[in-house]
Amino acid sequence: DGGITQSPKYLFRKEGQNVTLSCEQNLNHDAMYWYRQDPGQGLRLIYYSQIVNDFQKGDIAEGYSVSREKKESFPLTVTSAQKNPTAFYLCASSIGGAGNTEAFFGQGTRLTVV
Amino acid sequence: GQSLEQPSEVTAVEGAIVQINCTYQTSGFYGLSWYQQHDGGAPTFLSYNALDGLEETGRFSSFLSRSDSYGYLLLQELQMKDSASYFCAVGDSSYKLIFGSGTRLLVRP
Repeated sequence: DGGITQSPKYLFRKEGQNVTLSCEQNLNHDAMYWYRQDPGQGLRLIYYSQIVNDFQKGDIAEGYSVSREKKESFPLTVTSAQKNPTAFYLCASSIGGAGNTEAFFGQGTRLTVV
Repeated sequence: GQSLEQPSEVTAVEGAIVQINCTYQTSGFYGLSWYQQHDGGAPTFLSYNALDGLEETGRFSSFLSRSDSYGYLLLQELQMKDSASYFCAVGDSSYKLIFGSGTRLLVRP
């Protein structure tokens, strides 16, 4: 079955540690996105990528980093520079290009800093 | 800057019709989409409007007016399972996919 997979579902991190969230898709989509969602809030764009080996900052990129070495994979690293990392992180993919706003989401990773 | 405005919360009765509005301001515009998200879950795509007018998909319809930078999602024959958050989203000229802050719909018996 085609889809987008995020792992792990729950993640606990100690303050000062970096942590990497996985996102893999087998939909053959060019575009991939990372969003952060805080309780009762909307989705805020962290990073996005329209093609392999290229990505752009979203609205809240500070304290995060990404890579896009393969079409299928778009991992997100939450660095120690992110001051308030506890949140629900959602990865999405789409065909890409102008005009296509049908995105498919993974089930999310809930990150908690302890 | 870019922004999307939606009401924060809407309440309606089972079987009724509800409209959720969205106004947007973006640099370039490539369509308005709507997503549904149940508590604890991931957003799922509902509909997309690239051109002005009404798009109908079962009980859900979505409308767009590009001249007014405005759209809405219409939910008919409301069911309890429709209680969820609904987000509008736009694609802009830099290929970002930007979401609104969401509207929490509560359907009462």
